[in-house]
Amino acid sequence: GAVVSQHPSRVICKSGTSVKIECRSLDFQATTMFWYRQFPKQSLMLMATSNEGSKATYEQGVEKDKFLINHASLTLSTLTVTSAHPEDSSFYICSARRSFAARGYQETQYFGPGTRLLVL
Amino acid sequence: KNQVEQSPQSLIILEGKNCTLQCNYTVSPFSNLRWYKQDTGRGPVSLTIMTFSENTKSNGRYTATLDADTKQSSLHITASQLSDSASYICVVSATSGTYKYIFGTGTRLKVLA
Repeated sequence: GAVVSQHPSRVICKSGTSVKIECRSLDFQATTMFWYRQFPKQSLMLMATSNEGSKATYEQGVEKDKFLINHASLTLSTLTVTSAHPEDSSFYICSARRSFAARGYQETQYFGPGTRLLVL
Repeated sequence: KNQVEQSPQSLIILEGKNCTLQCNYTVSPFSNLRWYKQDTGRGPVSLTIMTFSENTKSNGRYTATLDADTKQSSLHITASQLSDSASYICVVSATSGTYKYIFGTGTRLKVLA
């Protein structure tokens, strides 16, 4: 299956600093990537849709100036948490959308392993 | 409103036993339904994918069923193993062109020796 990586896997930072998380599709090109946030014992919550070469689309309630998304290439999207605060501590998961023109399942998302962010 | 609900919220079973997890959805228009396994601290991994015309799909000890009429799905795990301890998430896609996934709240399964 397709592989999606995230870096770093976990990060601890001080309040007020910025943290960048990378999401890479290793063996396919992804014009669309998604960023999710997951709190303990809860399901994934979509934060934004990252489109290569254009601005990201943010879900309602997600601050675009707080969570900066850059999708500069077909294999890399980055999420930067700016001026992080303790309430931003969470598990961040990205996914990359892959289209299969010849298959019945026209598209599917492959998830990265996640990044655990702890803001002190 | 598009929603996906799962039950039970959590489940504890003994190793070797079978179990069935439930998923009800109100997503429309329906495209496909997926079951994912998510280990603690990891990203979700796909187990099965079913479209409208499919009513059962197996992946090893995992068997998913889909009833598109009642908008219900189940995931049956046979001869559970300790490594099956994880969260199982039901995800439904709508044919809206946005390619968004609608996630269920998940069932946390714990398999005890």
